[in-house]
Amino acid sequence: KQEVTQIPAALSVPEGENLVLNCSFTDSAIYNLQWFRQDPGKGLTSLLLIQSSQREQTSGRLNASLDKSSGRSTLYIAASQPGDSATYLCAVKGGSSASKIIFGSGTRLSIRP
Amino acid sequence: SQTIHQWPATLVQPVGSPLSLECTVEGTSNPNLYWYRQAAGRGLQLLFYSVGIGQISSEVPQNLSASRPQDRQFILSSKKLLLSDSGFYLCAWSGGGSGANYGYTFGSGTRLTVV
Repeated sequence: KQEVTQIPAALSVPEGENLVLNCSFTDSAIYNLQWFRQDPGKGLTSLLLIQSSQREQTSGRLNASLDKSSGRSTLYIAASQPGDSATYLCAVKGGSSASKIIFGSGTRLSIRP
Repeated sequence: SQTIHQWPATLVQPVGSPLSLECTVEGTSNPNLYWYRQAAGRGLQLLFYSVGIGQISSEVPQNLSASRPQDRQFILSSKKLLLSDSGFYLCAWSGGGSGANYGYTFGSGTRLTVV
């Protein structure tokens, strides 16, 4: 059974710092991995989607990497801004769950001005 | 382009009352559809998913049911709400096919409070 873990659960950093969020999964037979952002009381916004054959994806200040063999992904945020404050969730699709994605519990990020 | 609509945004219902939440997708055909629930301060729990009309898979035994009467319509229902049904309900869609490498797109959610 696929399990997804995100560390740390919460993170607070001053504005301008670069930071890394971690995601690990137990079953490496995945189709893809997706990073989402959730603002309080809101739905999920997709940030980056990495296919199993890819090593990384970039969008603006965000870079997500995938190491399928070790069951790990990282989300790198460059030059953090207060507007980046949100909960970040990773989710994997595939393995024993071919038609559905399994979410991590999220990292709550706070950027201090 | 594809869009997903979910309504209502907020709902306050008394215990024992029925529930119907609706989700529709535009701009695609034969999507996989999903209902998730997020309890306060907790992670996302998959409730139901559907890979086609009339095909519903239930992930968690509960007071809720789901139906897919049309290709791009997914409905979450309950005959009698419990206090424990309170939470944030999210609908999502993905490209069809169990092996397809599509990502997920989520609706804006429904905040349900059972009183």
